[in-house]
Amino acid sequence: EAGVTQSPTHLIKTRGQQATLRCSPISGHTSVYWYQQALGLGLQFLLWYDEGEERNRGNFPPRFSGRQFPNYSSELNVNALELEDSALYLCASSLGRENTEAFFGQGTRLTVV
Amino acid sequence: QQQVKQSPQSLIVQKGGISIINCAYENTAFDYFPWYQQFPGKGPALLIAIRPDVSEKKEGRFTISFNKSAKQFSLHIMDSQPGDSATYFCAASNGVGNTDKLIFGTGTRLQVFP
Repeated sequence: EAGVTQSPTHLIKTRGQQATLRCSPISGHTSVYWYQQALGLGLQFLLWYDEGEERNRGNFPPRFSGRQFPNYSSELNVNALELEDSALYLCASSLGRENTEAFFGQGTRLTVV
Repeated sequence: QQQVKQSPQSLIVQKGGISIINCAYENTAFDYFPWYQQFPGKGPALLIAIRPDVSEKKEGRFTISFNKSAKQFSLHIMDSQPGDSATYFCAASNGVGNTDKLIFGTGTRLQVFP
C-alpha cells in the first residue's frame, strides 16, 4: 500500500513568488494535515482538511492557504514568499479525527532565495 | 503554556548504550504523548505513545517513562544501535486523534556510533 506522497521533493523559489505543494494521502484517508518544519524548530501545524473542508488552521498568515480536492488530495499554496518560509513542508493523512494515527509523507523542501 | 520543551538538542551514544531524551510540558489538559522518529529525507513516523494513566510503556528496546506530577516524559532507547540514528520528536495533545492539536518538541538528533 502506497504511503503519503508529496511533490515536488525540492522546490526553489525567489522572494515574492508563489509556491504550490501537493500531497496525495493514503488510499481511504479523508483527513490531510500540513506542517512546517523549519530548521531547529519542531513541527508547526499549518492546516487541516477533512472531506474537502478546512477544519482548522495554525498560527500562520493568510498567505498560507490550501485546498482539498474530491479525491482527498491536497494543495498547499504559499503566496508572496519570504526568506523565512524556507522549510520542510510535511503532509500527513489519517482516516479521520477520532482515535486515528496520522501518517507523514517525506516532505517538500522549499527554499526561498 | 502550549510549549513542549525537549532536551538535549543532540545526543551521541556508543552502540549498546542507553539513549535518553527528555520532554516537559505545561498544559495539564494534555493527555496523549507520542514520540516520533525521523530519518533523513523521510517524514516523521510514530514510534511509541503513552497516555497519563500509566507511568511507563515499553515496546521492544523503546520505553516511555511518564511523570504526571512533574509534567515530564522521556524516551529511553536500550541497547542503542547505529540504525537508531535519527531525529526524535516528542509531542503532546489532548486526545489521540487530534493531529491538528499536536504540539511538538524541537527534536533531538541522535547519533549512535559502532
